[in-house]
Amino acid sequence: EAGVAQSPRYKIIEKRQSVAFWCNPISGHATLYWYQQILGQGPKLLIQFQNNGVVDDSQLPKDRFSAERLKGVDSTLKIQPAKLEDSAVYLCASSLGTGTYEQYFGPGTRLTVT
Amino acid sequence: DAKTTQPTSMDCAEGRAANLPCNHSTISGNEYVYWYRQIHSQGPQYIIHGLKNNETNEMASLIITEDRKSSTLILPHATLRDTAVYYCIVRFSNTGNQFYFGTGTSLTVIP
Repeated sequence: EAGVAQSPRYKIIEKRQSVAFWCNPISGHATLYWYQQILGQGPKLLIQFQNNGVVDDSQLPKDRFSAERLKGVDSTLKIQPAKLEDSAVYLCASSLGTGTYEQYFGPGTRLTVT
Repeated sequence: DAKTTQPTSMDCAEGRAANLPCNHSTISGNEYVYWYRQIHSQGPQYIIHGLKNNETNEMASLIITEDRKSSTLILPHATLRDTAVYYCIVRFSNTGNQFYFGTGTSLTVIP
């Protein structure tokens, strides 16, 4: 089966610019996650969707980050405006449901803010 | 969710067993232990999980102490492809609580 797809793989922007990342989860997976991974740290959950509804966005910096999952399939994560500290890898993952133990991760998007 | 403590890094000779320890002394009775790994430039990958009993699958074995305060992930015959960061995570299994990945153990398999 196809894995989780993400694009772009790399992005370089200047601070105060905006950027968007796209994720296509595994077919049939109801739950979708966006993680931020800063160099040297483990992934940190930003937002979790169940179908097209938000389950947990407690760690999403809502003043600059937004995410949507229209029609409960693909998802986009947007940063506007970007700050230097947003430089990180943004990982998308999906799972069959919220309580399942296995999350499937995409390759990530490496963002560099200069 | 309970916090975990793992060594920052470990080395293992190729073909030998890799034993990765994890302390989770504040784990509660219905929290599971999960292991994920992250190979360089890839997303994390699920390895195994367990509650009380030892578990084994095609990738690894998970040994949980009787008091559940610590566990060990065992890769029985480490290969160079097993070089990765290994994350030990505890969480409630069926509530949808998020995974807290921590900083993990960087395992290097040496030829």
